[in-house]
Amino acid sequence: QKEVEQNSGPLSVPEGAIASLNCTYSDRGSQSFFWYRQYSGKSPELIMSIYSNGDKEDGRFTAQLNKASQYVSLLIRDSQPSDSATYLCAVNFGNEKLTFGTGTRLTIIP
Amino acid sequence: KAGVTQTPRYLIKTRGQQVTLSCSPISGHRSVSWYQQTPGQGLQFLFEYFSETQRNKGNFPGRFSGRQFSNSRSEMNVSTLELGDSALYLCASSLLMGGQYGYTFGSGTRLTVV
Repeated sequence: QKEVEQNSGPLSVPEGAIASLNCTYSDRGSQSFFWYRQYSGKSPELIMSIYSNGDKEDGRFTAQLNKASQYVSLLIRDSQPSDSATYLCAVNFGNEKLTFGTGTRLTIIP
Repeated sequence: KAGVTQTPRYLIKTRGQQVTLSCSPISGHRSVSWYQQTPGQGLQFLFEYFSETQRNKGNFPGRFSGRQFSNSRSEMNVSTLELGDSALYLCASSLLMGGQYGYTFGSGTRLTVV
C-alpha cells in the first residue's frame, strides 16, 4: 500500500525562526509532491509543489525533495504567527489520486 | 476566476437518511475528486471523476457513490447514513486527471449525522 508519513506534532517554533516539516513516502517511483496548509476549520490550500530532486524556493517557503531517500521537506523561514496551521504532505503515486499524510500541526510562538 | 464551489456548507442528517453533496469545479477543470476528512483518519480518498467517468475509487462502502455531469459539476451521495459518516467532505478539482499538478479544494461540506 502506498503511504505518506508525517510527524503529527505539534511542532512549536518561536516567531522569526525556521520551521522544518518532514514527510516520507513509500514508493520510489513517485513523481509529484505537494505541500498544503490547512487552517483550523478551513479547507487545504496548495502552497508548494515539487517534481525533481533538490530545492524549490517560493518566498519564505522552500521545498526539498530527495527521491533516493524518499523524503520531502518544507522549510518556512522567518516564521510568523499566521503560519500556525496544519501542514499536509501529498504524493501522487501515479495511480490517479493524491495520497495525503495525516499532517503536522505547527504553532508559531510570538 | 471562481474557485471550487461546494454546497451546502453545513448539513445535519439523521441516521438512516441519505444525503447529496454538490461540487462545481474551477472553470475548465475536468477532473473532480472527493475526499473525506476526519480528525482520526485525515484525508481519505473517495473517488475521482474525469469526463463523466469514475477513474478511481477509494476503500469506502457502496453507500458512497458519485457522478459527474457534462459540465464537469459533480455530486456525491451517501445512503443509509451512519454516525461514523460525520466528517468534512472536500471536493477538489484539477485540469488533468490524477492530481499530477495538484488539486484546488473547495471549502467543504461539514456533515453531521445524529
